[in-house]
Amino acid sequence: DIQLTQSPSFLSASVGDRVTITCRASQGISSYLAWYQQKPGKAPKLLIYAASTLQSGVPSRFSGSGSGTEFTLTISSLQPEDFATYYCQQLNSYPFTFGGGTKVEIK
Amino acid sequence: QVQLVQSGAEVKKPGASVKVSCKASGYTFTSYYMHWVRQAPGQGLEWMGIINPSGGSTSYAQKFQGRVTMTRDTSTSTVYMELSSLRSEDTAVYYCARSPEAYYYGMDVWGQGTTVTVSS
Repeated sequence: DIQLTQSPSFLSASVGDRVTITCRASQGISSYLAWYQQKPGKAPKLLIYAASTLQSGVPSRFSGSGSGTEFTLTISSLQPEDFATYYCQQLNSYPFTFGGGTKVEIK
Repeated sequence: QVQLVQSGAEVKKPGASVKVSCKASGYTFTSYYMHWVRQAPGQGLEWMGIINPSGGSTSYAQKFQGRVTMTRDTSTSTVYMELSSLRSEDTAVYYCARSPEAYYYGMDVWGQGTTVTVSS
């Protein structure tokens, strides 16, 4: 199975900050990576797919980059509604594993 | 609007089985794959498997092989996930989620989740 390692696992930031989350794959997955946002008690929400394609309706302050084994999710200016947990997922080969998550909290 | 509506919460005893349903509406049921993902209390997301509603083919994570069965009913646009031989570690919220292809694309619409509690 492909392992995804997210870092950091916890992040404390302020409104307006630029935030970057990293996801590393244990083997190359081309650009077959998605990012999700999850708030407590809610289902995950797709933010980005194919490593860098913004899902319809997602604010442009979210962006994704990378290919192969290293990927990043960037929030250019953190907003109050962005405090949540973020997960990466590889869709290159079964099983479609998730990273361990990054919790973004208010500083 | 596009939505996935899951069945209600379940409480099961160890060793029992649970069957969770996910009814799709607002789109062509057979044009999207359906995944099942679970989340144990306070834990991360775990992908369980995928079904192609068009032909019914499935692929399951090795961890669940032999215990999970995913099926679909095209007449009601519903997919089902049955998990057998339940143990306490199966206590989790179970989600269905669709994707336009099996690979590459993420899961763009999710059900509301079904809480399954396994307790004696």
